[in-house]
Amino acid sequence: DAGVIQSPRHEVTEMGQEVTLRCKPISGHDYLFWYRQTMMRGLELLIYFNNNVPIDDSGMPEDRFSAKMPNASFSTLKIQPSEPRDSAVYFCASRSSGVKNIQYFGAGTRLSVL
Amino acid sequence: AQTVTQSQPEMSVQEAETVTLSCTYDTSESNYYLFWYKQPPSRQMILVIRQEAYKQQNATENRFSVNFQKAAKSFSLKISDSQLGDTAMYFCAFMETSGSRLTFGEGTQLTVNP
Repeated sequence: DAGVIQSPRHEVTEMGQEVTLRCKPISGHDYLFWYRQTMMRGLELLIYFNNNVPIDDSGMPEDRFSAKMPNASFSTLKIQPSEPRDSAVYFCASRSSGVKNIQYFGAGTRLSVL
Repeated sequence: AQTVTQSQPEMSVQEAETVTLSCTYDTSESNYYLFWYKQPPSRQMILVIRQEAYKQQNATENRFSVNFQKAAKSFSLKISDSQLGDTAMYFCAFMETSGSRLTFGEGTQLTVNP
């Protein structure tokens, strides 16, 4: 398996623009997670899905952030409008409910909002 | 809420020597999982080792082993025969067995010197 695939690897955008980050989980995994990594806050969970349904979005910072999972093989994290403080590395991870809670991470998307 | 603390922001070790990274956590749960993840400069989050709290035996994966002290809520990582490729940021993480949220520590930057 190719692992969790995230795109793009790097994204540079200007304040106010819409940003969409994409994730393809490992085939057969029924949980998908979005994390954000910053120097100030470290690694924090934004939202996670189980069987394409959002279960916990308490980590989503504000209404500018939204996440969707239209099918088992694709998820998006959208920021609209983007702000400089959104600059961070965004990770997607997935796991199978049958394997004791091991999450596999993608390579991350480094977002820079100018 | 669970918290994870890594008190060593940076550590260094000579190649072939042994190093121990510290981690403490706080929880009221009796059963949970603990993890060590490695993040090399490539940014990829890689699972190093996993421990289930109900298991008293310390987990071992090749050169990596843990010292799990449940009463003290301590979970240290020992790396034996350090290699240059071990240079990375290491994160300790906690997860309830009933949940899916990973809570990460602040990380320890380990540098292995030739």
